[in-house]
Amino acid sequence: NAGVTQTPKFQVLKTGQSMTLQCAQDMNHEYMSWYRQDPGMGLRLIHYSVGAGITDQGEVPNGYNVSRSTTEDFPLRLLSAAPSQTSVYFCASSYSGRGGLGYTFGSGTRLTVV
Amino acid sequence: DAKTTQPPSMDCAEGRAANLPCNHSTISGNEYVYWYRQIHSQGPQYIIHGLKNNETNEMASLIITEDRKSSTLILPHATLRDTAVYYCIVRGIQGAQKLVFGQGTRLTINP
Repeated sequence: NAGVTQTPKFQVLKTGQSMTLQCAQDMNHEYMSWYRQDPGMGLRLIHYSVGAGITDQGEVPNGYNVSRSTTEDFPLRLLSAAPSQTSVYFCASSYSGRGGLGYTFGSGTRLTVV
Repeated sequence: DAKTTQPPSMDCAEGRAANLPCNHSTISGNEYVYWYRQIHSQGPQYIIHGLKNNETNEMASLIITEDRKSSTLILPHATLRDTAVYYCIVRGIQGAQKLVFGQGTRLTINP
């Protein structure tokens, strides 16, 4: 049981490049989310999903796309990287039951856009 | 989801109980109180959650006031490894798929 796995752990991009941050969970969780955390700041929700085929926007969705073709995977795509997207990105998943247990977070992807 | 208010920072001596307060005066009847913590540079870690009754697990205890407008997270015997930012989050069933993080409380455990 690996929990939530994020790849890569570190990435440097040039402005304008695109890339996909990978997130996979093996707990059969319905809910998955992507957050970004800027230095010294709290976490902000980018996109989330309540199940395969269903996604929605969070607080800061601009510049990012997501899809959820399977329960296990929830990739985050940066369409055209900008320096303002330099951040640490966390993926999380959760059971959808009433009240539910907490979210399980991945270890993060540290992205630098130059 | 109800807004929460936490002190920005707290200190506690190693071995003592750390009591972290959270105000959530606009909480509604079907909203749960969740606590997470984030140790430097790591992903947040779920600690505990509750609706109206006090809860205890291997990590901490959660005390919710009778009117549910505030709660306290208790780490009974704090260690240096408990130094982290602690987030109190109120989450309803309808919004259960989203967690909205505030600034949290930076807890420092001192030797």
